[in-house]
Amino acid sequence: QLQLQESGPGLAKPSETLSLTCTVSGGSINTVSYYWGWIRQPPGKGLEWIGNIYYSGSTNYNPSLKSRVTISIDTPKNQFSLKLSSVTAADTAVYYCARRTMGSSSRDVWGQGTLVTVSS
Amino acid sequence: QSALTQPASVSGSPGQSITISCTGTSSDVGNYNYVSWYQQHPGKVPKLMIYDVSNRPSGVSNRFSGAKSGNTASLIISGLQAEDEAEYYCNSYTTSSTWVFGGGTKLTVL
Repeated sequence: QLQLQESGPGLAKPSETLSLTCTVSGGSINTVSYYWGWIRQPPGKGLEWIGNIYYSGSTNYNPSLKSRVTISIDTPKNQFSLKLSSVTAADTAVYYCARRTMGSSSRDVWGQGTLVTVSS
Repeated sequence: QSALTQPASVSGSPGQSITISCTGTSSDVGNYNYVSWYQQHPGKVPKLMIYDVSNRPSGVSNRFSGAKSGNTASLIISGLQAEDEAEYYCNSYTTSSTWVFGGGTKLTVL
């Protein structure tokens, strides 16, 4: 059974870069069948799509975050990563990684989420 | 891109049916059948309930169904149960090759 697990620092300082990794277990990330993405949720607020990556390295990003976001993939390690630069308190959120089926809106497997707090 | 529009809250009594709307534009909901719905209980991970407008993943109760008309998608829950009380989010693909969520709807089972 495929599982996703987010990892990374739970605290980031303002103006610095937030870095998270999602490790995929129980299946290969190197597949034509799925996209791998990041979604976040500020405390007490709704879900926000950040972006996704395909096994080939092709990416799509939320226009409101595009200038600060980089998503990369490491197929040998079966991981994909998120970097968000120049963070502010507004970037404090639970960050989820998730799998979406190619050619579908089905985002069926999610990680447990990790809270990242931006504070000095 | 603007968030899809959902009612902030809906409520219903056990056994009743409710509908949650998700209004977008011709650049997202109205242009693709790539609309999904997620259920989220407090402190929990979102769970996929409906995908591609009206498809139900294996294991999701058939009390949950989805539909779309024009720029508005809908999640219908029939035979309301106490366990259905949660936040619900819609999500759609856009003409910019991005995805956008709705603001969320809190369902209260009276």
